[in-house]
Amino acid sequence: EAQVTQNPRYLITVTGKKLTVTCSQNMNHEYMSWYRQDPGLGLRQIYYSMNVEVTDKGDVPEGYKVSRKEKRNFPLILESPSPNQTSLYFCASSTLAGGGGEQFFGPGTRLTVL
Amino acid sequence: AQRVTQPEKLLSVFKGAPVELKCNYSYSGSPELFWYVQYSRQRLQLLLRHISRESIKGFTADLNKGETSFHLKKPFAQEEDSAMYYCALSDRDTGFQKLVFGTGTRLLVSP
Repeated sequence: EAQVTQNPRYLITVTGKKLTVTCSQNMNHEYMSWYRQDPGLGLRQIYYSMNVEVTDKGDVPEGYKVSRKEKRNFPLILESPSPNQTSLYFCASSTLAGGGGEQFFGPGTRLTVL
Repeated sequence: AQRVTQPEKLLSVFKGAPVELKCNYSYSGSPELFWYVQYSRQRLQLLLRHISRESIKGFTADLNKGETSFHLKKPFAQEEDSAMYYCALSDRDTGFQKLVFGTGTRLLVSP
C-alpha cells in the first residue's frame, strides 16, 4: 500500500532530551516535508526537501534539524526539545512537482515536551 | 509573503443546506490553490485543486484572482462532510517548494 509512515505516533519526553521522529514513504517521491499543527495556527511548514541531500527551511525551522540521505526517509530531529515544541507533527511527500502535486500525509506524531 | 486566511473556525449547518467555506489568499505571484480535508481519525488528504477544475464529493471551488479568493462550495451538505477543511497555497514560480496552509475551518453538518 502506497503510504507515508511516521514513528513514533505518540511521544512524551523531557526538555533537552534529543529525539528523532522518523518518516518514510514508499511512493518514490522526490519531495518531502514536515509540518507542525497547533490550535488556531493550522499547519506550518518546518523543513522540506526537494530530493536526496537537498533540504531547505520552511516557515518555522528554529529548533529542528532534518536530513535526507535516502529518497524514502526524511527524519525530523529535535536536538534539545523545549515545551514550545509540544505539537502534532505531520510528514508529507509528493512528486517533484512539489506543492504543485498532491501531497500525501502521514498519520501524525503527537509530541509532548515536559 | 504568502498568506492564506480562513476567517471561520467553525461552520455549523443542517443536512441539505448549502455550504461555503471561505478562503482568501495574499500573494502576487502565480499561486496554485488547494483544499485539503481531514475527516475524524483519518489522514489529511487532498480534496481538490483549482487547476483541475473538477468537483469532488459534490464540492467545487473557483479561483477568483480579482478577489484573491478560493471559496469551497457545496449545494447540499451531508453529515459525512463533517470534517476539518484547510485551504492551502503553493507558488508555481518557485517550483512549488512551499505549501502554506490556512488555519482551517471545522465543518459540522447536523441531521
